Amino acid sequence: GQNIDQPTEMTATEGAIVQINCTYQTSGFNGLFWYQQHAGEAPTFLSYNVLDGLEEKGRFSSFLSRSKGYSYLLLKELQMKDSASYLCAVKDSGYSTLTFGKGTMLLVSP
Amino acid sequence: KAGVTQTPRYLIKTRGQQVTLSCSPISGHRSVSWYQQTPGQGLQFLFEYFSETQRNKGNFPGRFSGRQFSNSRSEMNVSTLELGDSALYLCASRPGQGASGELFFGEGSRLTVL
Repeated sequence: GQNIDQPTEMTATEGAIVQINCTYQTSGFNGLFWYQQHAGEAPTFLSYNVLDGLEEKGRFSSFLSRSKGYSYLLLKELQMKDSASYLCAVKDSGYSTLTFGKGTMLLVSP
Repeated sequence: KAGVTQTPRYLIKTRGQQVTLSCSPISGHRSVSWYQQTPGQGLQFLFEYFSETQRNKGNFPGRFSGRQFSNSRSEMNVSTLELGDSALYLCASRPGQGASGELFFGEGSRLTVL
C-alpha cells in the first residue's frame, strides 16, 4: 500500500524560515511533488524531485532522500500570502498518477 | 492557454440522487484524473483516463464512475448519493502518462449531499 505522512498544521512568523516534512512508503518511486493550495482554490505545482538532493526555486526549496523515504519543503522569507495548505505527493511508477498526503496547513502570522 | 475547467462549481443534492460532473482539460492534454478532497482524508484518487480508456482506479465503490470523450473532456458520475459523498471533486490534467507527471488542477466542483 501507499502511506504518505506530513504534519497536520504548522505556524510561523512573517520573515522566518519553515520546513515542512514528508515521509512516504510506497510500492515504487518515480518522483515526489509539492503542491500549494490556498483555501477555496485549486492546488498549484511548487516543485518536483526525482533524484536525491536539493532543488531550489526562489524562496522555495525541496529536498529528497530516496533511501530514507523522506522529503522536505523549505520556505524562506515567509510572507502572509504563504499561508496555505502544502501537499506532498508521490508518483509510484512511470505511468501512475499521484498519491497525496493529507496536507500541512501553514499559518503565517505577522 | 486556458486552464482546466470544471462545471458546475457548486451543487446541492439529496441522498439517493445521482450527479454528473464535467471537466475540460488544458488543450493538448490527453490524461485526466479525478480526486475527492475532504477535510479528514485529504486528496484521494478516484480514477485516471487517457485516450478514452480508464488507466488507473482508486479504492472507491462502483457508485463512482467516469468516462472520457474523444476530445479529452471527461465526466464523472456518482449514483445513489450518500452524505459522505459531500466533498470537493478535483479534476487534473497532464499531457500524457509519462514524463514528470505534473498535474494541473481545476478549481473543483463542491458537492453537498443533504
